[in-house]
Amino acid sequence: EAGVAQSPRYKIIEKRQSVAFWCNPISGHATLYWYQQILGQGPKLLIQFQNNGVVDDSQLPKDRFSAERLKGVDSTLKIQPAKLEDSAVYLCASSPRAGTYGYTFGSGTRLTVV
Amino acid sequence: LAKTTQPISMDSYEGQEVNITCSHNNIATNDYITWYQQFPSQGPRFIIQGYKTKVTNEVASLFIPADRKSSTLSLPRVSLSDTAVYYCLVGDFDTGFQKLVFGTGTRLLVSP
Repeated sequence: EAGVAQSPRYKIIEKRQSVAFWCNPISGHATLYWYQQILGQGPKLLIQFQNNGVVDDSQLPKDRFSAERLKGVDSTLKIQPAKLEDSAVYLCASSPRAGTYGYTFGSGTRLTVV
Repeated sequence: LAKTTQPISMDSYEGQEVNITCSHNNIATNDYITWYQQFPSQGPRFIIQGYKTKVTNEVASLFIPADRKSSTLSLPRVSLSDTAVYYCLVGDFDTGFQKLVFGTGTRLLVSP
């Protein structure tokens, strides 16, 4: 089966600019997650979708970050305006449902804010 | 979700068995223990999951004592390609809508 697709693979922007990341989960996976991984740290959950509804966005900086999952399939994560501390890898993961063995991660988008 | 504690790093040589221990003193009755592996420039990859005693698959073994307050990931005869970060996670995965909470993981370096 195809994996979780993410694009772009790399992005460099200046602070205060905006950026968007795209994720295409594994077909049929109802649950989708966005994680932020800062260099040297473990991934941190930003938002969790179940189909096209938000289950958990408690750690999403809502003043600058937004995410949507239209039609319960693809998802986009946006940052506007970006700050230097947003430099990180943004990982998307999906699972048939929350929990158990089914989490599959994409390779991520590496964002550098200069 | 129960907090986990792992060694920050470990070193090994090719062909050796590597055991990475994770402490989770506050594990709840319904919690499962899951290990993920992450290579540079890739997302984490599921390795193994267990609830108690021993679980083995083609990649690793997971040992969980009776009190479940710790667990040990065992990698038999490691190779250079096993150099990665290994994360131990604990959570009630079977009831749905449970997020994965990652710690800083254990950096394993395998040398020739």
